[in-house]
Amino acid sequence: AQTVTQSQPEMSVQEAETVTLSCTYDTSESNYYLFWYKQPPSRQMILVIRQEAYKQQNATENRFSVNFQKAAKSFSLKISDSQLGDTAMYFCAFMKRGPNAGKSTFGDGTTLTVKP
Amino acid sequence: KAGVTQTPRYLIKTRGQQVTLSCSPISGHRSVSWYQQTPGQGLQFLFEYFSETQRNKGNFPGRFSGRQFSNSRSEMNVSTLELGDSALYLCASSLRTGENTEAFFGQGTRLTVV
Repeated sequence: AQTVTQSQPEMSVQEAETVTLSCTYDTSESNYYLFWYKQPPSRQMILVIRQEAYKQQNATENRFSVNFQKAAKSFSLKISDSQLGDTAMYFCAFMKRGPNAGKSTFGDGTTLTVKP
Repeated sequence: KAGVTQTPRYLIKTRGQQVTLSCSPISGHRSVSWYQQTPGQGLQFLFEYFSETQRNKGNFPGRFSGRQFSNSRSEMNVSTLELGDSALYLCASSLRTGENTEAFFGQGTRLTVV
């Protein structure tokens, strides 16, 4: 079974600054995906960024980037130039890759507040 | 393109009753997954349906069941409701073809059991 741990229940950052959210996971699988999802106060969860475990290059999406350390089973999210709209709960998630994949295991989430 | 639609948005039920929640995926998406979100337990996977077949199942009691119709719409049923079933139930749809694994979530159904 997989586990995902987010050790920071709450974080805050000043607008325009950079913040890093931590995530570690445990799995015996070698082929999988990792995701960061954002859930704003309106509740709808949206995908922020995705990383395939077989890719060594860290994924980036505009102001969002990850630091994927496969050996250490670490997958942190860096948000650069933080904006007020980044205020949300962020979830790290794991999904096994393969024909019967489809179950995502989520961490407990980190509530991020961006302060003006 | 319309997003994932969950109905109803809010529901209040009494202990012992049963409830059915509905999820309409994005057009063309054949995979629908259900999650339970609570403050204490976080997001817990319930089950996934793909082309009307249950492909994955989480660790929930048999009171929780689901199904998927030929148009990919899915329903989740909870029988003999307990107070602990109060939660936000999220549905996610995806194409699930090749590397296309992105899940699109609905806004959820807030179930309160009294």
